[in-house]
Amino acid sequence: DAGVIQSPRHEVTEMGQEVTLRCKPISGHNSLFWYRQTMMRGLELLIYFNNNVPIDDSGMPEDRFSAKMPNASFSTLKIQPSEPRDSAVYFCASSRAGSEQYFGPGTRLTVT
Amino acid sequence: AQSVTQLDSHVSVSEGTPVLLRCNYSSSYSPSLFWYVQHPNKGLQLLLKYTSAATLVKGINGFEAEFKKSETSFHLTKPSAHMSDAAEYFCVVSGDNFNKFYFGSGTKLNVKP
Repeated sequence: DAGVIQSPRHEVTEMGQEVTLRCKPISGHNSLFWYRQTMMRGLELLIYFNNNVPIDDSGMPEDRFSAKMPNASFSTLKIQPSEPRDSAVYFCASSRAGSEQYFGPGTRLTVT
Repeated sequence: AQSVTQLDSHVSVSEGTPVLLRCNYSSSYSPSLFWYVQHPNKGLQLLLKYTSAATLVKGINGFEAEFKKSETSFHLTKPSAHMSDAAEYFCVVSGDNFNKFYFGSGTKLNVKP
């Protein structure tokens, strides 16, 4: 199995630009999670989906952030407009019901 | 409600000496518990998991953890540290029906030569 796939691995953009992060979960997993990790705040859960439906988005910082899961094999996290304080590593993870999470390699976002 | 407390933010050991990373949890039901490791600039990798079977769980790279319900603890141990063990370790408790996972704040392990 290829594991959780995230793209891009690195993204550098200017403040005000739109950023889209992508995730392909492990085949057969029905839950998908987006996390953000920074030195200051550690690892934060942004949103998670179960069977493609958003279940808890209470961790999404503000309306500039949105996430979608149009099908079982793809999810996006969008930031529009981006700000320097959004700079972080964003992780996607997936899990099968009743089992543990598997993490992707992360996307390192830098907003200048 | 579920929560996880990792009692040490930093632990430093010498190579070849034992490792103990402490984790206490709070849960309103019988949880599943996990330890993850994150090496610098890498993603999180599952080390081991407890899912209500044997209370002593063996993981990868010689790590193990013991689930103690009476103490609400799930400490991670390794008999002999290796330089490659230097990383950050996260203790995690599952939510109800695995719909959510609750992370501790992490423990950074430093291994001295």
